[in-house]
Amino acid sequence: QVQLQESGPGLVKPSQTLSLTCTVSGGSISSGNYYWSWIRQPPGKGLEWIGYIYDTGNPYYSPSLKSRVTISVDTSENQFSLKLTSVTAADTAMYYCTRDHPEVTNAYDIWGQGTMVTVSS
Amino acid sequence: DIQMTQSPSSLSASVGDRVTITCQASQDISNFLNWYQQKPGKAPKLLIYDASNLQTGVPSRFSGSGSGTDFTFTISSLQPEDFATYYCQQYDNLEVTFGPGTTVDIK
Repeated sequence: QVQLQESGPGLVKPSQTLSLTCTVSGGSISSGNYYWSWIRQPPGKGLEWIGYIYDTGNPYYSPSLKSRVTISVDTSENQFSLKLTSVTAADTAMYYCTRDHPEVTNAYDIWGQGTMVTVSS
Repeated sequence: DIQMTQSPSSLSASVGDRVTITCQASQDISNFLNWYQQKPGKAPKLLIYDASNLQTGVPSRFSGSGSGTDFTFTISSLQPEDFATYYCQQYDNLEVTFGPGTTVDIK
């Protein structure tokens, strides 16, 4: 059973870059045509899709975050990562990594537990 | 961008009640609509995919219907463990959007 685990700093200063990693266990990130995604949730608010990388090589980002986001894959480490530049307090959120259903594109049936990132000086 | 709306934003119900939540897309998304349940402090859980298909292991009291722009999510008989927030989510034309959520709490 594939499992996902987010990791990274819990505190980032304004204007700096938020960097998170999602480690995939129980399966290879290279197997299958999956969408590996990042989704975030500000405290007390709803879910916001950040972007995905498809089949380990093709990223696509939310238009509202596109200028600041990079999602990439490291197949040797069985990980994918998120970088968000020029962060502000509005980027404070729980960040989840996900994988989609093997038969349904972008229906997220596997989620990490989430990692809370606070943007503050 | 495709926008998603949900109604109501919250509702109070009793155990055994039938609960219905609606989700509307700003343009035709065929049946590319999924439903999730989220409990406090937990990651969301996929319940329904492609508008009406029950995810493996999800109780049959949950159901979904609709296509195009209008979708419905139903809990046929609310159970104590169903008090949570429910989100719809669309995937169409490469982009993903979540609805704002509906919180179901105890009456």
